[in-house]
Amino acid sequence: QSALTQPPSASGSPGQSVTISCTGTSSDVGGNNYVSWYQQHPGKAPKLMISEVSKRPSGVPDRFSGSKSGNTASLTVSGLQPEDEADYYCSSYAGSSGVVFGGGTKLTVL
Amino acid sequence: EVQLVESGGGLVQPGGSLRLSCVASGFTFSSYSMSWVRQAPGKGLEWVANIKQDGSEKYYVDSVKGRFTISRDNAKNSLYLQLNALRAEDTAVYYCARGLGYGYVSWGQGTLVTVSS
Repeated sequence: QSALTQPPSASGSPGQSVTISCTGTSSDVGGNNYVSWYQQHPGKAPKLMISEVSKRPSGVPDRFSGSKSGNTASLTVSGLQPEDEADYYCSSYAGSSGVVFGGGTKLTVL
Repeated sequence: EVQLVESGGGLVQPGGSLRLSCVASGFTFSSYSMSWVRQAPGKGLEWVANIKQDGSEKYYVDSVKGRFTISRDNAKNSLYLQLNALRAEDTAVYYCARGLGYGYVSWGQGTLVTVSS
């Protein structure tokens, strides 16, 4: 049940694209397609942005996209907007070992 | 509208106990697995436990095994987390979330547990 590895920070200017990585193992990220991404603003509950690697829940802008290659998943935010500034967490379902989250990435919109 | 409302948090001394509750509305509670996720102050998210729809299967993160117990009462649309033998490192906001962890669409607002003497 080791945490997934994310970069602590990422940044980009309005209108640019930024990609956040999430690295796990063959027991979690690489072993199934249940990778999710969450956005969290200060003092708020997390919000699901991507589920099952690349599916966007209703209401999430199509500027947010997800992908996976091997043991690494990625979240790409295109056309950065000021309201995208937040913490982002990846997670992976790991069967009887439960769910493992990444350490989080603070996204700054310059 | 799906709503999850947690309660039961507070200040407790090391070694003490608390029982957290989460009342669900806006969906058929008995049809969904449920989870608890926590977040220590200034830290990231950590999955704590989940429970299947009928309560037959329960899973825990290693750090709480033997100390925390997840349960549910489908007749009351309620999810619970019994916290025993609390430690300072259990201090966190505890969220209930709908689902097993494939992607938590619905979250509560959280309840703060502070373990301190």
